[in-house]
Amino acid sequence: EVQLVQSGAEVKKPGESLRISCKGSGYSFTSYWISWVRQMPGKGLEWMGRIDLSDSYTSYSPSFQGHVTFSTDKSISTAYLQWSSLKASDTAIYFCARHRTPSSWCDYWGQGTLVTVSS
Amino acid sequence: QSVLTQPPSASGTPGQRVSISCSGSSSNVGSNAVNWYQQLPGTAPKLLIYTNNQRPSGVPDRFSGSKSGTSASLAISGLQSEDEADYYCAAWDDSVHGVVFGGGTKLTVL
Repeated sequence: EVQLVQSGAEVKKPGESLRISCKGSGYSFTSYWISWVRQMPGKGLEWMGRIDLSDSYTSYSPSFQGHVTFSTDKSISTAYLQWSSLKASDTAIYFCARHRTPSSWCDYWGQGTLVTVSS
Repeated sequence: QSVLTQPPSASGTPGQRVSISCSGSSSNVGSNAVNWYQQLPGTAPKLLIYTNNQRPSGVPDRFSGSKSGTSASLAISGLQSEDEADYYCAAWDDSVHGVVFGGGTKLTVL
């Protein structure tokens, strides 16, 4: 069974760093890409960018470029989303989702990680 | 302001047919496949329709998708109470080299 399991909810202060994870199982991890999607409270879905799990090639949406970093550890089938300096406006649910090609549909999604940034 | 335009809300009674539109441009809907996602309250999005009109295994045939030019639509026939959810269209955009989403449509089953 294909699963993407994300790390638990986080509460952070502005300026702090954070890394959340997305662990894949039940399929060949490096044969897919992972996209990260943000959902701010009460709002819609926003594509943040993607990472090729085979070679760690990344592509970021202009709205998120320079503020977040995607990475992966193939040895444990895990993708990461990290911030070096959080802002209150980063408060949101973050989803990881897998797709077969760079522009194809996302067929499986993680359960989401709630990140709350508050002083 | 989302790149793809969807009505913010839609509604219908059980058994009815409803349709949700998704309007884009030549750089996204007009030249790339449209996918639809269903997000039930408090849950992660789920793939509902891919490549304009294809249903993943397990998705009831009550759900159907179509595309014409720079517009796409999702139709739900035989509406059921469990269809109450937010629905999002998405497509690759050649101009921004990324995925763009619609703003989402909240479907209410009356």
